Amino acid sequence: DTGVSQNPRHKITKRGQNVTFRCDPISEHNRLYWYRQTLGQGPEFLTYFQNEAQLEKSRLLSDRFSAERPKGSFSTLEIQRTEQGDSAMYLCASSLMALNYGYTFGSGTRLTVV
Amino acid sequence: AQSVTQLDSQVPVFEEAPVELRCNYSSSVSVYLFWYVQYPNQGLQLLLKYLSGSTLVESINGFEAEFNKSQTSFHLRKPSVHISDTAEYFCAFFIGQLTFGSGTQLTVLP
Repeated sequence: DTGVSQNPRHKITKRGQNVTFRCDPISEHNRLYWYRQTLGQGPEFLTYFQNEAQLEKSRLLSDRFSAERPKGSFSTLEIQRTEQGDSAMYLCASSLMALNYGYTFGSGTRLTVV
Repeated sequence: AQSVTQLDSQVPVFEEAPVELRCNYSSSVSVYLFWYVQYPNQGLQLLLKYLSGSTLVESINGFEAEFNKSQTSFHLRKPSVHISDTAEYFCAFFIGQLTFGSGTQLTVLP
């Protein structure tokens, strides 16, 4: 068990470009979450999956954002037509359905839009 | 609206001194409460949680938090801090998914 893995760790992109991040959760965890964290703020919920089903999306997740979790394993988060306001740390977490076990977070992908 | 508030954005404290990081929540339903810690350039790590039962919960590294329903608080305390406790601390509650406060930067000074 190597924990939650996120790639890349850092991404610099030009405004208007598309970017995709990947998250590999702990293998036996069936829930996967995406959060966004900006400087000086706590993580903000974006969306979560239970197995391959996307069960909830925050209003923060505009139509430029899309997330997938094919086959209930890894997940990708894509941002189309990036804007400077998208610059943030994108965190992925996974958990078992039972709340007792809490969430395990990855180290995040830091996106900088120039 | 349901929310969690961390009253102090920065808390500087000298090594071996006690510390309290404050957290208040607002919810019309029962909540589960958590404290997470984030070291620089790392993800969040679970520090402790209150799900039910005893209102005083402890972590393995000496932190404790007490759930106070009447004051809607879940303050984090440690009687004697170390340099290595320097980090950002986030309070969170769970209703469907984790909702975090804005964080408190704890800086332990030598």
